[in-house]
Amino acid sequence: EPEVTQTPSHQVTQMGQEVILRCVPISNHLYFYWYRQILGQKVEFLVSFYNNEISEKSEIFDDQFSVERPDGSNFTLKIRSTKLEDSAMYFCASGEWETQYFGPGTRLLVL
Amino acid sequence: GENVEQHPSTLSVQEGDSAVIKCTYSDSASNYFPWYKQELGKRPQLIIDIRSNVGEKKDQRIAVTLNKTAKHFSLHITETQPEDSAVYFCAASGTGTASKLTFGTGTRLQVTL
Repeated sequence: EPEVTQTPSHQVTQMGQEVILRCVPISNHLYFYWYRQILGQKVEFLVSFYNNEISEKSEIFDDQFSVERPDGSNFTLKIRSTKLEDSAMYFCASGEWETQYFGPGTRLLVL
Repeated sequence: GENVEQHPSTLSVQEGDSAVIKCTYSDSASNYFPWYKQELGKRPQLIIDIRSNVGEKKDQRIAVTLNKTAKHFSLHITETQPEDSAVYFCAASGTGTASKLTFGTGTRLQVTL
């Protein structure tokens, strides 16, 4: 059964550095999402992406964040200048319509 | 925007008993309600979902009910097993293009022997 994959599984970075989180959605899916989960808290929506453009973004998704689908398979989340409060698990999800399937996540730690 | 409340935050049941987790939502335009199971350090895994044109859906030991009038939906797990122990999240969304999921705060279910 196809699954969403993400790399890296863990990332440690210094405050102010740029990070790129990578995702490979399920191949026939059209809708792509990024969510984050701070330790012990609920999953929070960041951004949705369809037809090569952002469909919706949350208040969390400020100018420091960007998303890109550089080729037919990858979907990336870039954080330009990381802050301590960006430390979280970042999940990519993909779907055909409403149903969303989550990747295993990237645990980001900002020091 | 949508707000999803989830109760209880923790639930402990004995193996073989039933477990019920309840959620309420605020946006009457929401019409898709999935439930995810998340084991420690793992991805949220979709276990069942329901759309607003249906009042109940069942899949083996798991069932979900929806009351659109009350804006309330519930997850029912029967004959619980130790492997059911996890955090369960409810969520709500519309059905527009790339609709976001708004999650509840989660319920930690512990199934004891």
